[in-house]
Amino acid sequence: DVKVTQSSRYLVKRTGEKVFLECVQDMDHENMFWYRQDPGLGLRLIYFSYDVKMKEKGDIPEGYSVSREKKERFSLILESASTNQTSMYLCASTLRGEQYFGPGTRLTVT
Amino acid sequence: QQPVQSPQAVILREGEDAVINCSSSKALYSVHWYRQKHGEAPVFLMILLKGGEQKGHEKISASFNEKKQQSSLYLTASQLSYSGTYFCGTANAGNNRKLIWGLGTSLAVNP
Repeated sequence: DVKVTQSSRYLVKRTGEKVFLECVQDMDHENMFWYRQDPGLGLRLIYFSYDVKMKEKGDIPEGYSVSREKKERFSLILESASTNQTSMYLCASTLRGEQYFGPGTRLTVT
Repeated sequence: QQPVQSPQAVILREGEDAVINCSSSKALYSVHWYRQKHGEAPVFLMILLKGGEQKGHEKISASFNEKKQQSSLYLTASQLSYSGTYFCGTANAGNNRKLIWGLGTSLAVNP
């Protein structure tokens, strides 16, 4: 069965902290994505990766970076967390178009 | 560039039908439909590639009108389990690796 896991369901961080969100998939998928989801704004793409060490900016990359050292793991990094980064973060992976989502991490920055 | 979904919200009684539309101003390579229940991650329903094909998933089907850059999701004889928010994601011909998502249509099915 397909599985995408995220390191935390809920996370509370302070302004200015460096935050790491981890995503792992067990399906040998090449493409992985990081989204944030906010009420009224839908799903917005932050970054995606189509191969190990390959990344491409999405629609809202400012304030974020990513790392993909191994095929199964895609990390989202908030270099210096700010309150406007409080959101639900969803990771997804895909092989032939169908995106499989992780359960999400609800991040609160205080 | 973001696809436009309509309606924004719909309320049905169990057994009724509904249509959700997704329109884009860009040339589309594919349209993807997902359903998200409250507090859960989006779940894949179907993909439609350009060519005007129609697909089905149980009592949910969809069509893709390439000329109009529009897709419609048809929910027939709705069940309580159909409640949730439906999102369309579109892939453009120039970059079909990533999806651009609509804002969603909230569907509530009541007994």
